[in-house]
Parts: sequence; structure tokens; C-alpha cells
Amino acid sequence: KNEVEQSPQNLTAQEGEFITINCSYSVGISALHWLQQHPGGGIVSLFMLSSGKKKHGRLIATINIQEKHSSLHITASHPRDSAVYICAVRSRFDDMRFGAGTRLTVKP
Amino acid sequence: DTAVSQTPKYLVTQMGNDKSIKCEQNLGHDTMYWYKQDSKKFLKIMFSYNNKELIINETVPNRFSPKSPDKAHLNLHINSLELGDSAVYFCASSRTGTGEKLFFGSGTQLSVL
Repeated sequence: KNEVEQSPQNLTAQEGEFITINCSYSVGISALHWLQQHPGGGIVSLFMLSSGKKKHGRLIATINIQEKHSSLHITASHPRDSAVYICAVRSRFDDMRFGAGTRLTVKP
Repeated sequence: DTAVSQTPKYLVTQMGNDKSIKCEQNLGHDTMYWYKQDSKKFLKIMFSYNNKELIINETVPNRFSPKSPDKAHLNLHINSLELGDSAVYFCASSRTGTGEKLFFGSGTQLSVL
């Protein structure tokens, strides 16, 4: 079993819908990252969290350290949000463990 | 200016060859990384390196070696390429510290024939 589990694996939404992607992890962490990989392959770091909640535009990321769970929310989704979203945790030993990614498709 | 740049973007080569992928960052970061993304799009850390310490993922074959001529560069050398090395390799950098954001290069797609 992977130490970082994401759900769902694939997600299709209509433009404007509210989207939630979940990430659960089983190791002790010092930080959690949400990454976005565009269809062209490039990877962008969206958020780095160690506690609480962060917001950037239409994106919101939350983390519950006690429950070892994080969520990435996208409000008013748009076709340009279509990408693979990857959860990654930095363990206390400073190595990174990645989830398998959630492929999001937003249809107009 | 590209923050983290890696070259080449595509690399096609024969089994048994030795190849290098270059990575440069202009962000003044202390720590650089190499990641491998396999055909199932699963990312795995290969190396992390700052000017004090190289941390190697023990699952990485010793045919892979990082070389850092200076703080802004971390090149990846691969000897005796094998079919299973075909993947996308990403370079990244960050400031030193577990809470720092990562900045990725655009990736190098390596195809070993």
C-alpha cells in the first residue's frame, strides 16, 4: 500500500462545479505539497502546508495533521483547471513521498 | 527567465549508452532534487542535494549519479542505460528546510531503445 493515497484517481466535472480531491498519508510528515501537472507535462507547486488552510485564488488547501488528511478544493472550476493534481508529503526524514495523482477533466 | 531549467527536453538513446541531463536554477536555492516519473505517472525522489549533503534514495541504481559543479547546477549522469530507465526526469529546487516550496523544471523525457 502506498504511503500517500489520493482519491479519486480520475474526476470529470462540468465547468463551474466545486471540486474536492483528497489525500491521506500514513507517515509522520513535516509538510504536505499539492502539485499540478499540466497536460504538457510541466509541474507547478500549488501549496505547501504544515497546518490549517491556505487559499490562492479559486484554490483552497486544507490539512488535518491529527487525521493525516488533506484536501484540495477548486471553486468555480474551469476547463483550464484540467490537469493531474499530485499530493506529496515530506517525511520527517526529509524525503518526499508522492501520491499517484488525480486526473481532473473539466468540461465546458 | 526560467527559474529551473533542464536540458534536453527529449533524449532518445540506445541501450548501453551513457547520457547526462543538465539542470540549472537561478533562484538562489540551496537544495536541488532529481525525480523520476514512470509510465504510470508516479513520481519518486531519486536524489536531494545541498552544498553539505547528498541524500540518495537507496532504490536508485548506482548507474545514476548526480554531479553538482556549483550551487546552481545539479546534473544527472546515467551510465549503461537500460530499457527500464525510460521515464520523465524532473529537476527541482527549493530553499533548504522541510517547509519550503518546490520549483520544478519542465522535465526531460528519456527514451531508451
